[in-house]
Amino acid sequence: EVQLLESGGGLVQPGGSLRLSCVASGFTFSNFAMTWVRQAPGKGLEPVSVIWGDIDNTYYAASVRGRFAISRDNAKNTLYLQMNSLRVEDTAVYYCAKTDGYLDRWGQGTLVTVSA
Amino acid sequence: EIVLTQSPGTLSLSPGERATLSCRASLSLGGNYLAWYQQKPGQAPTFLIYDVSTRATGIPDRFSGSGSGTDFTLTISRLEPEDFAVYYCQQYGSSPRTFGPGTRVEIK
Repeated sequence: EVQLLESGGGLVQPGGSLRLSCVASGFTFSNFAMTWVRQAPGKGLEPVSVIWGDIDNTYYAASVRGRFAISRDNAKNTLYLQMNSLRVEDTAVYYCAKTDGYLDRWGQGTLVTVSA
Repeated sequence: EIVLTQSPGTLSLSPGERATLSCRASLSLGGNYLAWYQQKPGQAPTFLIYDVSTRATGIPDRFSGSGSGTDFTLTISRLEPEDFAVYYCQQYGSSPRTFGPGTRVEIK
């Protein structure tokens, strides 16, 4: 059974940093792209960043480019999102998702709150 | 960037009724690269349909997808109580992948 478990969310002040993790199991992690999707309170789904299995290819939404960095450790079946220079508008639930173009499995999400 | 527009914003129906949700793309998707997701309050989205009309594993056959080019539809033939939720479409034929804003299906 495919499972994705995010962690690392919490309360942080504007300008601060957090690193999110997503541990995957139940599939060959290195064979699939992975996506971080966020959902601000009461809002829709925003793809934040994507990393392909070969690691070299990544994508960032314009809203986070230059502040966030996606990475993965295929040996540990773990996806990361390093978030720097956080802003109030980054407050959201962050989901990791197994990606094959479509997002066929999602984690339960981790809440990031940016507030003074 | 392909922009997806979903209509209506909210659909008020009774259990047993048919739901028809629309997703329109700002450019033709070219291939059948459209998916649908369901999200219930407080839960992560779940994957319903890919390639416009192929149901994901375990999805009941009351859910069906159709369309091509720029116009796509998710139909729920007879609403069950557990189907009241928000539904999102997503295109994955063009980078960046984008989601529509969602349609809320609520109990009338």
